[in-house]
Amino acid sequence: DGGITQSPKYLFRKEGQNVTLSCEQNLNHDAMYWYRQDPGQGLRLIYYSQIVNDFQKGDIAEGYSVSREKKESFPLTVTSAQKNPTAFYLCASSIERDSDYGYTFGSGTRLTVV
Amino acid sequence: LAKTTQPISMDSYEGQEVNITCSHNNIATNDYITWYQQFPSQGPRFIIQGYKTKVTNEVASLFIPADRKSSTLSLPRVSLSDTAVYYCLVGDLYSGGYQKVTFGTGTKLQVIP
Repeated sequence: DGGITQSPKYLFRKEGQNVTLSCEQNLNHDAMYWYRQDPGQGLRLIYYSQIVNDFQKGDIAEGYSVSREKKESFPLTVTSAQKNPTAFYLCASSIERDSDYGYTFGSGTRLTVV
Repeated sequence: LAKTTQPISMDSYEGQEVNITCSHNNIATNDYITWYQQFPSQGPRFIIQGYKTKVTNEVASLFIPADRKSSTLSLPRVSLSDTAVYYCLVGDLYSGGYQKVTFGTGTKLQVIP
């Protein structure tokens, strides 16, 4: 079945360490996105990418970095510069045009920094 | 991108019909209206999408008035498993308008036994 796979589901890291969250899709979607969700809050856009080797900052990009070397993969690195990294991270993808369903989301990674 | 406004929360008893309204006064001509459902610790999933009038699928109905400045998601005979957060999104499908779409806080629906 096609879909988006995020791994790991739970991640614990010590403060000051960088950590990379994986996102892989086999939907052949052009665009991919990373969102952050805090308890009781909506989703906030961190980064998005419309094509390979290109990505744009979202609303809260500070302290995060991404890469898009392959169409299928869009990993997110949470750096030590991110002041409050503990959150639920969601990856999504979409077809750029003629999309009937908008976004397809992964199941998320819950990051806890101790 | 059109800004959307939804109620923060709603309660409903099992078996009742639930209607969640979303306001989008600045909707553009090419914008579609899409609703997503999110359960705790999961990613949002697509429920329904429409442009105007009424759309119905096996899960819900979407009512859009002629001026398109609002839309109403209707869930028939809700069950406890419909307890979730519901997001209304407005964007242009055909010009890449889904980039930088902002998910607001959504409407938290609590179904009561």
